[in-house]
Amino acid sequence: SQKIEQNSEALNIQEGKTATLTCNYTNYSPAYLQWYRQDPGRGPVFLLLIRENEKEKRKERLKVTFDTTLKQSLFHITASQPADSATYLCALSTSGGSYIPTFGRGTSLIVHP
Amino acid sequence: KAGVTQTPRYLIKTRGQQVTLSCSPISGHRSVSWYQQTPGQGLQFLFEYFSETQRNKGNFPGRFSGRQFSNSRSEMNVSTLELGDSALYLCASSRTSAQETQYFGPGTRLLVL
Repeated sequence: SQKIEQNSEALNIQEGKTATLTCNYTNYSPAYLQWYRQDPGRGPVFLLLIRENEKEKRKERLKVTFDTTLKQSLFHITASQPADSATYLCALSTSGGSYIPTFGRGTSLIVHP
Repeated sequence: KAGVTQTPRYLIKTRGQQVTLSCSPISGHRSVSWYQQTPGQGLQFLFEYFSETQRNKGNFPGRFSGRQFSNSRSEMNVSTLELGDSALYLCASSRTSAQETQYFGPGTRLLVL
């Protein structure tokens, strides 16, 4: 069966360090993958999209990699700040279907000052 | 540009009742999708509407229904509420399709007693 896995344990890091979050998937043929940020009591906010033929995407302090061989995406936040504390969701859209994204359950990131 | 708005923000109902939630998409966006988010299942796709027609549907029972009006505003209805329907219901809009980047509203928190 299809699965998207994100680490359910919160990631605790110190301010200024690089946070790395992981999204693993099985039995998907992804067309593209998206990362969203969600704060408590709010809807997800789109951050980055990476397509299956792209290895890496960057936006300011954010970087996403996509390895379709390993079936994994890594999401990096460099020079992390306490304001980056939130839950981060990955979402996969598959080719050959409706492309409706399937979301992982998210990983909570806590950046300590 | 105003973001996606959802009303009401909070709702308490009892089992067996029905509920209607409303969503106003970003101006110019014609695709509206609905999601249910719970701690146990994460974010799950309910359905997508475009030009007043349901274009895609997730794996939810028929008690969950929706509609879209000519101004792209959308409503979703849940009949015969069950305790397990307690969740955050999120609406997301995009220009033409849920395949594109989606912009989420703040959600409606529904509690079924």
